[in-house]
Amino acid sequence: AQSVTQPDIHITVSEGASLELRCNYSYGATPYLFWYVQSPGQGLQLLLKYFSGDTLVQGIKGFEAEFKRSQSSFNLRKPSVHWSDAAEYFCAVGFSGGYNKLIFGAGTRLAVHP
Amino acid sequence: DTGVSQNPRHKITKRGQNVTFRCDPISEHNRLYWYRQTLGQGPEFLTYFQNEAQLEKSRLLSDRFSAERPKGSFSTLEIQRTEQGDSAMYLCASSVAGTGNSPLHFGNGTRLTVT
Repeated sequence: AQSVTQPDIHITVSEGASLELRCNYSYGATPYLFWYVQSPGQGLQLLLKYFSGDTLVQGIKGFEAEFKRSQSSFNLRKPSVHWSDAAEYFCAVGFSGGYNKLIFGAGTRLAVHP
Repeated sequence: DTGVSQNPRHKITKRGQNVTFRCDPISEHNRLYWYRQTLGQGPEFLTYFQNEAQLEKSRLLSDRFSAERPKGSFSTLEIQRTEQGDSAMYLCASSVAGTGNSPLHFGNGTRLTVT
């Protein structure tokens, strides 16, 4: 069965430090991959997506993610974190040939220390 | 693009009561989805519409749940005889049908509390 794993439930970083959030997926073919961010009490905002082509994708708010087929991973990175980045981050996978029935990971909650 | 709108934002109800939520998708989006998110978890797929046709329902959607999209525009999600386990955030999303997977645009959700 298809699944998404985000191994880190909570991560705390200092403002200005770099960030990497991990995401691993289980799927037999090349998936469509997404990262969403959710602030408390809000819906989900799309940060970036990977469909095909260049495996390093750029998103909004200075985020990027790299698709590594050999590792079934799609890790999210940011070189310098801002206090406003504190939120919950969700990795999601969609499937080729179908509609957008996304499967989400359980999320990683990011805290940023000043 | 006014975004996906969900009403109400919050709903508190007593166990056994019926509740109905509304979702207004982005106007040119013909696909509409309902997800449920419980505390500490990612959203879980409930159901999907393309225009007015409900094309898939998750087994999470028990017979107490019904969703409609009568004119292919807004959608409603009704929960009958609510249970405490129904307490969650109910998220609506919309997207454009086409090749590949166009991204889902989410609303801010309706938080349901069943007491």
